[in-house]
Formats: sequence, C-alpha cells, structure tokens
Amino acid sequence: DVKVTQSSRYLVKRTGEKVFLECVQDMDHENMFWYRQDPGLGLRLIYFSYDVKMKEKGDIPEGYSVSREKKERFSLILESASTNQTSMYLCASSSLAGLDTQYFGPGTRLTVL
Amino acid sequence: AQSVTQPDIHITVSEGASLELRCNYSYGATPYLFWYVQSPGQGLQLLLKYFSGDTLVQGIKGFEAEFKRSQSSFNLRKPSVHWSDAAEYFCAVGAVAAGNKLTFGGGTRVLVKP
Repeated sequence: DVKVTQSSRYLVKRTGEKVFLECVQDMDHENMFWYRQDPGLGLRLIYFSYDVKMKEKGDIPEGYSVSREKKERFSLILESASTNQTSMYLCASSSLAGLDTQYFGPGTRLTVL
Repeated sequence: AQSVTQPDIHITVSEGASLELRCNYSYGATPYLFWYVQSPGQGLQLLLKYFSGDTLVQGIKGFEAEFKRSQSSFNLRKPSVHWSDAAEYFCAVGAVAAGNKLTFGGGTRVLVKP
C-alpha cells in the first residue's frame, strides 16, 4: 500500500515563526503536492513538484515556499506564519502517469496564534 | 480555468436509504473527474475516477458515478448507505492541459441517521 506520512498531526505556532511541514511518501512517486483545506473551500493547491528540486506554484502560493531535495520528501515552509494560515494542510503524491490517483497523507492541523 | 461546484454543503440520509451527491464542473475539453472521500480524522481516499469510455463508473465501497457531458455533471450515488459512509466527499476535475493539477469542489458532508 502507498503510504504518505506527515510529520505532525497537530501543530501550534506563534505569529512570525518559521514553520516547516514535512511529507514523506514511500512509493517512489514523481509528483508531490501540498494543499490547504478550509471549510467550504475544499482543497486548494499551494505548490506541487514533479521532480527533485523542481516546483511549481499552485493556486495560492503566497506566504509559502517548498523544498524537494529528495524524491520521497516534500517540505512546506511558512517563512513567517500568520493567523490566516491557520488551516489543515494535506500532502499528496502521485506517479508521473498523467492524472494518476493522488494518495493523501492524514493532514497537519496548524494553528497560528 | 477549470472549476468544480458541489451545491450541497450538508446532506443527511437515513441508514439504508439511497444517496446522491451532486458535482458540476466547468472545463472546455474532456476532463478527468474524481471523487474522493475523507473520513473523520483521515486523509482523502479515492472512490472512483473517470477518464474516458463508459460514462457509468464503479468505485469502491459500493459507490458509482455517472459522467454527463451535456450537463457538465459527475454525480456520485450509492443505493444503500451504511453508517460508515458518514464522511466528507470531494469532487475534483483535472486536465493534462492544466498541468495535471486537480481542482477540488468545496465538499459535501454526509451525515447518516440510524
């Protein structure tokens, strides 16, 4: 079974802190994604990566950056956390085969105080 | 740009009754369509997907969906709901021309009454 793990289930940070969210997948997938999930808005794509050291902006990249130094690991960085970044963050991975199934991690619920 | 609308935010259904969740999409070419389910405290799991061919798609857990191009819809159905189907359901649309990215709808939360 494909497994996507995220470093924390719950995280509480203060405004202005630098926050790292980590995601690891074990299926040798080329594509990795970061979404945020907010009630009524569904999932919105922040960034995605189709290869090591490659990244592309999604629909809401402002205030975020990403890093992919190894194929299995994709990190989301909040350079200076703000209260409006309080949300559920979901990581996903998929193979390079077109629009293949995305496999999701359990999510990290981030609260910024 | 592609978009997805799930008109129903909440649906309450009795156990054993049928369920239909609506999904309307907007995209110029033939889309790739997906339904995902998110059970409480868990990540999203794929229920089914449509790429081409037969417009009635069977998925896991007894779900099916029908692609209707004329109505730009991809509604999800289940003939008899179980208590374990209580979850949030997301419809998503993707396209190769859109860089293989998925656009998700806002979700429909399903409550199951005993």
